[in-house]
Amino acid sequence: AQTVTQSQPEMSVQEAETVTLSCTYDTSESDYYLFWYKQPPSRQMILVIRQEAYKQQNATENRFSVNFQKAAKSFSLKISDSQLGDAAMYFCAYRSAWSDYKLSFGAGTTVTVRA
Amino acid sequence: GAVVSQHPSWVICKSGTSVKIECRSLDFQATTMFWYRQFPKQSLMLMATSNEGSKATYEQGVEKDKFLINHASLTLSTLTVTSAHPEDSSFYICSARAPTYEQYFGPGTRLTVT
Repeated sequence: AQTVTQSQPEMSVQEAETVTLSCTYDTSESDYYLFWYKQPPSRQMILVIRQEAYKQQNATENRFSVNFQKAAKSFSLKISDSQLGDAAMYFCAYRSAWSDYKLSFGAGTTVTVRA
Repeated sequence: GAVVSQHPSWVICKSGTSVKIECRSLDFQATTMFWYRQFPKQSLMLMATSNEGSKATYEQGVEKDKFLINHASLTLSTLTVTSAHPEDSSFYICSARAPTYEQYFGPGTRLTVT
């Protein structure tokens, strides 16, 4: 099974500032997908951003962008212009492109936004 | 977007009883659904993969006789916790795999066993 590592249990950011969450993964596959999910206090899992490994261009979704470094097996998430609604637990996840479509999740990073 | 529902959202049951949790894909057909368990402030732990019309595949360490999964139709999977005990208290989340291969998550079910 693939291992996904999030080394930051908690991160704090001032409103309107930028925060970067780190994620590394271990795989021998060449084709796969990477995801960032947000889990707010409601506990509903929300897809934030998705990256396909064969695409070199980093994915962006409004204020959310990733830095995908395939050789380094690194997939960080940058949240720009942080808002109070961004406060949540964020999970990095890996999925093979070919096998059983299971998601492997990291341990999560809790983001606190200070007003 | 694709919607997945779970019912109930919160259930309290007495030790020794069984409880059933439903997961429905509302606007797409899902041949595969997944069941996760999550403890407070922890990550999602995959319990099993539910395939329509066939037996579920359980992850290592998950008791298949305790956590019964039935995927009887392309829009419904159920998880039954049999002979529940307080240690089974947790947050259970399902996800459904759409034809696009993306997974969509239900809102979760909080189970409390007294």
